[in-house]
Amino acid sequence: EIVLTQSPGTLSLSPGERATLSCRASQSVTSTFLGWYQQKPGQAPRLLIYGASSRATGIPDKFSGSWSGTDFTLNISRLEPEDFAVYYCQHYGNSPALTFGGGTKVEIK
Amino acid sequence: QVQLQESGPGLVKPSQTLSLTCTVSGASISRGGYYWSWIRQRPGRGLEWIGYIYNTWSTHYNPSLKSRVTISADTSKNQFSLNLSSVTAADTAVYYCARDDGSIGHWGDLNYWGQGTLVTVSS
Repeated sequence: EIVLTQSPGTLSLSPGERATLSCRASQSVTSTFLGWYQQKPGQAPRLLIYGASSRATGIPDKFSGSWSGTDFTLNISRLEPEDFAVYYCQHYGNSPALTFGGGTKVEIK
Repeated sequence: QVQLQESGPGLVKPSQTLSLTCTVSGASISRGGYYWSWIRQRPGRGLEWIGYIYNTWSTHYNPSLKSRVTISADTSKNQFSLNLSSVTAADTAVYYCARDDGSIGHWGDLNYWGQGTLVTVSS
């Protein structure tokens, strides 16, 4: 079973700063099936990035994804108030078919 | 514009079966090529994929829940449903239905989500 470990658990930053979120897979995974979601309180998650680095429809270019081996990164440049939320990485394709990381909360410092 | 809306009882007694429905608008679940999923989020915790239904009859479940889960589709109502049997307090969660965008092989890129519905398991 693939386990996705996100770090840090909480990231305290100020508006205008850059956020770097990490997601490490417990074994080799296909980057094609790695995504990132944003979730705000009381809302459903929203797909930001698919295929590790492709932005979903309507997602601004301040969100970018990259990877190296089993380490995946979501970068958010120039944080705006609406970007403070919880971010989840997700992989699908292996048992149990689809898994999420534990999440990183980006909070206002 | 694809829209999904969960509905069902907000309170279920322990040992009973949790039953939820996802009503779809803006798309037909009869049209093949899409994966219709259920995901849950237990209080203060992350997201857990429950399973999906594909082409109205093909299903795949999370092994951790497989013995208790059934996902089915009602094409006449353009709905798909989740049944989770023998529930306990640990099944208390917000339950979401979701769908991919139809790109071949990218069933897990969940572009469309319902707003979620809270189900509490308590006597």
